[in-house]
Amino acid sequence: NAGVIQTPRHKVTGKGQEATLWCEPISGHSAVFWYRQTIVQGLEFLTYFRNQAPIDDSGMPKERFSAQMPNQSHSTLKIQSTQPQDSAVYLCASSPKLGGDSYEQYFGPGTRLTVL
Amino acid sequence: GEQVEQRPPHLSVREGDSAVITCTYTDPNSYYFFWYKQEPGASLQLLMKVFSSTEINEGQGFTVLLNKKDKRLSLNLTAAHPGDSAAYFCAVSAGGTGSKLSFGKGAKLTVSP
Repeated sequence: NAGVIQTPRHKVTGKGQEATLWCEPISGHSAVFWYRQTIVQGLEFLTYFRNQAPIDDSGMPKERFSAQMPNQSHSTLKIQSTQPQDSAVYLCASSPKLGGDSYEQYFGPGTRLTVL
Repeated sequence: GEQVEQRPPHLSVREGDSAVITCTYTDPNSYYFFWYKQEPGASLQLLMKVFSSTEINEGQGFTVLLNKKDKRLSLNLTAAHPGDSAAYFCAVSAGGTGSKLSFGKGAKLTVSP
């Protein structure tokens, strides 16, 4: 089991450029979550999918952030017109099937985004 | 929304000492509780999980206590060693379609020899 895979591990963009972050969940897991981690704000929920359907995007900044899950093996988080305040570690997590005691989330290594 | 407060933000102990990290939460519908460990430069490692008001010892030198009446969750290290030095985060979830995690701000534990 390779765990949750995130690429790239590090990304540097200039202000105003676009950034696309990739996540491959653990095989067989039904849910994918995106979080953002900064020193100041800590760990913040962004959005999540279950069985590829978007369930909750209440944490997403509305104008420049979007997320998709085109198939069960990967999800993308896209940030348009990146700003310095978008600099953070973006974490992807996957979770096993709904129901029972299977609500734990397993995190990937993260993508460190730096916006200059 | 759910608010999770974690204390203390920093904790320094000597090897063999105990250490306690506590979280309080606000949503009475919260049902699933987790502790994660994050070593410097690494991602979050699921350490322990608890789903009911119970004391659990996972056999790694940690004990988790959950008090749903007081909405309090604690992680107790019974005999800390330098390898336990890391940041520890509690996380709370209502489960079901509301299964996003709400995290505490973290507690940085330093264990000196």
